[in-house]
Amino acid sequence: AQSVTQPDIHITVSEGASLELRCNYSYGATPYLFWYVQSPGQGLQLLLKYFSGDTLVQGIKGFEAEFKRSQSSFNLRKPSVHWSDAAEYFCAVGAPSSASKIIFGSGTRLSIRP
Amino acid sequence: EAQVTQNPRYLITVTGKKLTVTCSQNMNHEYMSWYRQDPGLGLRQIYYSMNVEVTDKGDVPEGYKVSRKEKRNFPLILESPSPNQTSLYFCASRRDRSSYNEQFFGPGTRLTVL
Repeated sequence: AQSVTQPDIHITVSEGASLELRCNYSYGATPYLFWYVQSPGQGLQLLLKYFSGDTLVQGIKGFEAEFKRSQSSFNLRKPSVHWSDAAEYFCAVGAPSSASKIIFGSGTRLSIRP
Repeated sequence: EAQVTQNPRYLITVTGKKLTVTCSQNMNHEYMSWYRQDPGLGLRQIYYSMNVEVTDKGDVPEGYKVSRKEKRNFPLILESPSPNQTSLYFCASRRDRSSYNEQFFGPGTRLTVL
């Protein structure tokens, strides 16, 4: 069965600093991988997704993520964070074989230090 | 504007009083689902529907019912709410059952059961 782990519950970074949010997944083959962002009081918005091909994926709002098969990871990065990036971030995994199911991680809350 | 709407956004109720949370999408999506979000647990799927009159249990279906009589609507019904159903609920939709497709989320319904 697929699963996804986000080891960091809460991260604080200074505005302008770089960011990396960790995500590890468990699945027997290459899954579909997603990062979502949830701003306060809002629903989830898709930042980026990986299905196959180039392991470095570009998303919206200046985010990128890198799929590393050997480490079963799909970490989210941003070179310079802005105060508006403060939100909760969810990594999610979908299984191509079962088609419909998506499993979400427990989320990482990002705070920005002025 | 393509969107998923939920009503109400906030609801406080008492144990045992039946309630319905509505969900509607205007994108002609086949697949719809309900999630609950609890601190430290991420999003867990309650029920999903692959098309009209086709519904199935997710990971945490106990205490909930759904129906899919029309393609655009997917209401969540709590016949006899209990305090452990206090949570933040999200409705989501995507084009079809394949998790390859982007999932769109509603703004959420915060439910408190006293």
